[in-house]
Order: sequence, then structure tokens, then C-alpha cells
Amino acid sequence: EVQLVESGGGLVQPGGSLRLSCAASGFTFSDHYMDWVRQAPGKGLEWVGRIRNKANSYTTEYAASVKGRFTISRDDSKNSLYLQMNSLKIEDTGVYFCTRVAGTTWSTAVVDSWGQGTLVTVSS
Amino acid sequence: DIQLTQSPSFLSASVGDRVTITCRASQGISNYLAWYQQKPGKAPKLLIYAASTLQSGVPSRFGGSGSGTEFSLTISGLQPEDFTTYYCQQLNRYPLTFGGGTKVEI
Repeated sequence: EVQLVESGGGLVQPGGSLRLSCAASGFTFSDHYMDWVRQAPGKGLEWVGRIRNKANSYTTEYAASVKGRFTISRDDSKNSLYLQMNSLKIEDTGVYFCTRVAGTTWSTAVVDSWGQGTLVTVSS
Repeated sequence: DIQLTQSPSFLSASVGDRVTITCRASQGISNYLAWYQQKPGKAPKLLIYAASTLQSGVPSRFGGSGSGTEFSLTISGLQPEDFTTYYCQQLNRYPLTFGGGTKVEI
């Protein structure tokens, strides 16, 4: 069974930093692309970014709203995904979901598994 | 960026109804579209990908269609557990984007 467990959320002041972690199990983590998706309180879903697998050089993609401030990384030896968030803004508040991408082709690169999410609150 | 417009934003229906949710893309995305269902306080669940392919384990009352810029999610015979929120997502071009969501209410 695929399991994704996020941690690291909490309260942080504007301008501060936070690092989210996601522990993956139940599948071959190193084979898969991974995404972060977030959801502001009472709002819709927002894609944050993606990291590809080793076969695709661990390259990354980001939403414009976080590019230059957030960094996605992974440690395949630890089956772990990370989201380093710097220069946090109030509008970054929300639940952050760690997600697994099913395949590596354009037609199969869809999120098929989600963690339970971790809440990040940016407030003074 | 590719914008996805879902309609309606809210939909009132009854158990047993057939309902259709539309997702319109600001530019052509071939069939690179997915649909998710999200229940309150829970993570979303993948229903359909590649516009019309049903994810394993998803009931056959869910169906997707469309290509290019117009897509739809149809639920044939609404069940009580289907009254919740649905999102589309385009997978054609970065940054990936979601529609604004459709809440299906009793």
C-alpha cells in the first residue's frame, strides 16, 4: 500500500523559512516523479512543483508563485521528499500535500496518491 | 499559463441524478486532463486521467470525455458519497494548473 506521510508544518512568521518532509513507503520511490500540491484554507488546489526521478536527472518544475523561493529535493536512499520554503508570505498559508506521480510519460504523469497533508501557517 | 475554468461552481442534485461538470482550458491541451474528487478534510482522490481513462477502483458511474479545450466529467446515478467537490487538472504544460472546483450539493 502506498503511504505518504508529511511532516514539518507549523507556524512561521512572514519572511521566515520552513522545511517540509515526506516519508514514502509501499512503492519504489526512486522510480517516481513526485509533486507538492497545496490548498489554502477554504480554497481550491494549487500545484506547487515537481521533481523528476534520477533517470530524468532530478530536474524540477515550479509554479510561478513559488519559483525562486521554494526548492524541491529528494533523497532516494531515505525514500524521502522535501520542500524547502524560504521568504514565506501570508499567502503561502495552507495544507501542503506530498503526492506521487504515476508515470513518466505525458499521458501518465498524473498524481495517483496523496499524503494526508501538513498545515503551514504564515502569520505574525 | 493555461487557465482551467470549471462550470458550474456549485451544482444541486439528488441521489440517482446524472450530472455533468465541464472544464474549459484556455488553450488546447490534447487529452492531458485529470479529474479528482475531494471530500472535506481529506486528500483528493484521482478519478480519471487522460481525459477519459477511469482510475483503477473508481466506480463505473464516473465517466470523462473531451479533447482540446472542452472536457466533461459525468456521474451517472449520484450516490450519497458523491456529494462533494471535484477538480480538473491539466497535465499538458508547466506550470500544471487546477480548475477552481465544482461542489456537488444535495
